Amino acid sequence: GENVEQHPSTLSVQEGDSAVIKCTYSDSASNYFPWYKQELGKRPQLIIDIRSNVGEKKDQRIAVTLNKTAKHFSLHITETQPEDSAVYFCAAKTRADYKLSFGAGTTVTVRA
Amino acid sequence: NAGVMQNPRHLVRRRGQEARLRCSPMKGHSHVYWYRQLPEEGLKFMVYLQKENIIDESGMPKERFSAEFPKEGPSILRIQQVVRGDSAAYFCASSPLASRDFAYEQYFGPGTRLTVT
Repeated sequence: GENVEQHPSTLSVQEGDSAVIKCTYSDSASNYFPWYKQELGKRPQLIIDIRSNVGEKKDQRIAVTLNKTAKHFSLHITETQPEDSAVYFCAAKTRADYKLSFGAGTTVTVRA
Repeated sequence: NAGVMQNPRHLVRRRGQEARLRCSPMKGHSHVYWYRQLPEEGLKFMVYLQKENIIDESGMPKERFSAEFPKEGPSILRIQQVVRGDSAAYFCASSPLASRDFAYEQYFGPGTRLTVT
């Protein structure tokens, strides 16, 4: 089955700086890569996603890049703000099934 | 525009009791997924259901766990004879459609936090 690894597990950045989270996946048949943000005690919220036919996608201060050859994808948050502090999860879906396989999460802390 | 609803939000059960977790998908969504999140870990897939059908239960423990999504009413995840290791947050997600070749966004509910004492 699909195996998703996520790094780093914790990330502390100064407000205004950028944050980058990286994930790798194992199944070359994966075709969908969403990112979720989860605040403490809350539901995971979809913040951006990318499909396998696209290399990069941007939405205001967040962007995701996909390298199919290397089987990795990354989340970039620019001009970080305190409200960006949360746990971020990457996930991947293969063509073989319907489920999402999640990384272990990155706890992002934005220092004011 | 109500999102995915789950109840109860918090559930405390003693070892050996049964836990029933409910999930109502977003309006217009007929595909439901259950995930389990252990403390400080990622989400692990348990089961995917359509109305009246279990499509993929590859992540469900073989014993004590069952799920259903009846024609009418919410999807239910049932855990019989709970043990301390079942303590976790259980999230359901829904999507409007589902396909192997094309992924549809999954939207998550607020979760049910199960504590087994």
